[in-house]
Amino acid sequence: DTAVSQTPKYLVTQMGNDKSIKCEQNLGHDTMYWYKQDSKKFLKIMFSYNNKELIINETVPNRFSPKSPDKAHLNLHINSLELGDSAVYFCASSPALGQGGQETQYFGPGTRLLVL
Amino acid sequence: AQKVTQAQTEISVVEKEDVTLDCVYETRDTTYYLFWYKQPPSGELVFLIRRNSFDEQNEISGRYSWNFQKSTSSFNFTITASQVVDSAVYFCALSLNQAGTALIFGKGTTLSVSS
Repeated sequence: DTAVSQTPKYLVTQMGNDKSIKCEQNLGHDTMYWYKQDSKKFLKIMFSYNNKELIINETVPNRFSPKSPDKAHLNLHINSLELGDSAVYFCASSPALGQGGQETQYFGPGTRLLVL
Repeated sequence: AQKVTQAQTEISVVEKEDVTLDCVYETRDTTYYLFWYKQPPSGELVFLIRRNSFDEQNEISGRYSWNFQKSTSSFNFTITASQVVDSAVYFCALSLNQAGTALIFGKGTTLSVSS
């Protein structure tokens, strides 16, 4: 069974388009995250949600908007895509503090976004 | 502010060699967690180990071992008798003891193991 899944795995699109990436976890975790990995492999947090509440909102363009319809899902919508948005986007989830293995984040397979 | 430094950008070894990946972290918090993740060529991020700041015991898992030293703020990772399948990018990361806190990653060390 897939623990953290993302769709699509690959996304190739034109500049200016709007696209969404979906993430689902079946681990029963309370917290979900979006990270961006740039071309130099550097990983940086974008957002985190705890029980559907936004916890972290790093300095990312407001073209990026996360949405958490429930604890098991955290989607990422990107408006007006730009060339610089090309990257790998990883979703992750972790248990709440106080639960076993707290703060261990488990990652999805990544979505490779290429903006042309 | 928190920071993780992996000074080794790339390491190349021949199979069966032992290799140590260095990780130095900075934080003023007394409670924190340290992690290692592996990113093989296929691209996924695989969790390897988590250590909390109160547990300085070294850990061994098969050919992998980790040396956590608070005195030097280091959390080094050693692979014994390396294999070609160990070729990957390895990331060290730090998180604080807060709900929803981010992982702060080092820049990663690319390990290439040749046969």
